[in-house]
Amino acid sequence: DQQVKQNSPSLSVQEGRISILNCDYTNSMFDYFLWYKKYPAEGPTFLISISSIKDKNEDGRFTVFLNKSAKHLSLHIVPSQPGDSAVYFCAASRSGSARQLTFGSGTQLTVLP
Amino acid sequence: EPEVTQTPSHQVTQMGQEVILRCVPISNHLYFYWYRQILGQKVEFLVSFYNNEISEKSEIFDDQFSVERPDGSNFTLKIRSTKLEDSAMYFCASRREDNYGYTFGSGTRLTVV
Repeated sequence: DQQVKQNSPSLSVQEGRISILNCDYTNSMFDYFLWYKKYPAEGPTFLISISSIKDKNEDGRFTVFLNKSAKHLSLHIVPSQPGDSAVYFCAASRSGSARQLTFGSGTQLTVLP
Repeated sequence: EPEVTQTPSHQVTQMGQEVILRCVPISNHLYFYWYRQILGQKVEFLVSFYNNEISEKSEIFDDQFSVERPDGSNFTLKIRSTKLEDSAMYFCASRREDNYGYTFGSGTRLTVV
């Protein structure tokens, strides 16, 4: 079951530069998308979300872009900081359900000082 | 900031034994969830709970699993007869009715030997 896919298991970026994490989905019923950040031995921490009626949502250094026709979303982090180093999960949910999340496999982001 | 609290942080149990994982969701949240992450795999949905009953469950959540909200604060996941393949991180999460973003607990690492 690969309804949400993160094709890059890892990404390294220099401090101060932009980090772009990508996510693709196949289920057209998904209408709400979220990004979570996870450190080892901790639970996922909510970062930012976007509804399918929008194509962009911004919160400080984090911006999520949604391209519904391509079933693609991305998370931009500008500027990247060493403390951003973590695993980033894309997740999606749909209406008519309990809003359970379907997760991607995660991307390990390493921000190099 | 309100937190979802999970206990214990780590539990080791013998195959065939019953385990109860405990969670205290955020007090004004109405939806409660259990997810798990087997080492090296995706975070997977197990069950959602709303209005004192299960609202949805995944194929993973078979007869060996049960959930309960025994009082106004605790939310528990019981595994009746543990198997080796139940070894995973188990995350509890909760959310408000008007917000699709969850708050996750820090997880319980269950090791079945």
